[in-house]
Amino acid sequence: AQSVTQLDSHVSVSEGTPVLLRCNYSSSYSPSLFWYVQHPNKGLQLLLKYTSAATLVKGINGFEAEFKKSETSFHLTKPSAHMSDAAEYFCVVSEIDSWGKLQFGAGTQVVVTP
Amino acid sequence: DVKVTQSSRYLVKRTGEKVFLECVQDMDHENMFWYRQDPGLGLRLIYFSYDVKMKEKGDIPEGYSVSREKKERFSLILESASTNQTSMYLCASNPSRTGVTGELFFGEGSRLTVL
Repeated sequence: AQSVTQLDSHVSVSEGTPVLLRCNYSSSYSPSLFWYVQHPNKGLQLLLKYTSAATLVKGINGFEAEFKKSETSFHLTKPSAHMSDAAEYFCVVSEIDSWGKLQFGAGTQVVVTP
Repeated sequence: DVKVTQSSRYLVKRTGEKVFLECVQDMDHENMFWYRQDPGLGLRLIYFSYDVKMKEKGDIPEGYSVSREKKERFSLILESASTNQTSMYLCASNPSRTGVTGELFFGEGSRLTVL
C-alpha cells in the first residue's frame, strides 16, 4: 500500500529566500512521485514528477525535487521565493499499475511575505 | 490548451436534495476522476471511470454515485445530500489506461455547501 506524509501543514517564507517543502512516502513498489500546486480558487496543476529516471527533477517556475530512496523522501525546493508562489502544495505518490490512482498528501500551505 | 470544465463553481443545497455535479473534458481522455478536497485531508478519491459506462469505487464512495454515458462527460451524483458532504469537489482526467503517467488534468472545482 502507498501513503504520503507532508511534514509541514504551513510554511511561511520571505520573498527572495529559499523554500523547502518536505514529503515522505511509503510504497511497496518503485513509486512515481509528483508535486502539484493549487492557487486560491483554482484546480491543481502539475509542478513536476519523478518516474525512475534522474533523481533530481526540475519542474516549472523554478521548483525542483530530489528523490531519495534511502530516506523515502521527495522534498520540494526553490532557491528564491516569489510572491506568486503563495499557494497550497500537494505531494502525491502512485504505484505502477494503479491506473492513475494517486495518493495525495494533506497539503502544505505556503505564505510568502514581502 | 487542455480543458476540464466543471459546470458549477458554487452550489448551495438543502439536506436531502439530489445534487448533480457535471464535468466535461475536451482532451479525449479515457480516465476521469472525482475527488473531494477537505482542509487537512488533501484529496480523496470518490469514484473513477476508465471507459464509457465503466466505473470503479475510490476510497470514499459512500453517499455518492457517478454516471459516464459519453467519453467526455463524468457526472457525480449525491442522491440525498447531507451536511457532511459540504466540501470542494474536483474533477480530473488522465489519458492513460495502462500504466501510470501520473499527470491529472483538473477542473477548477465545485464548492458545495449543504444546509
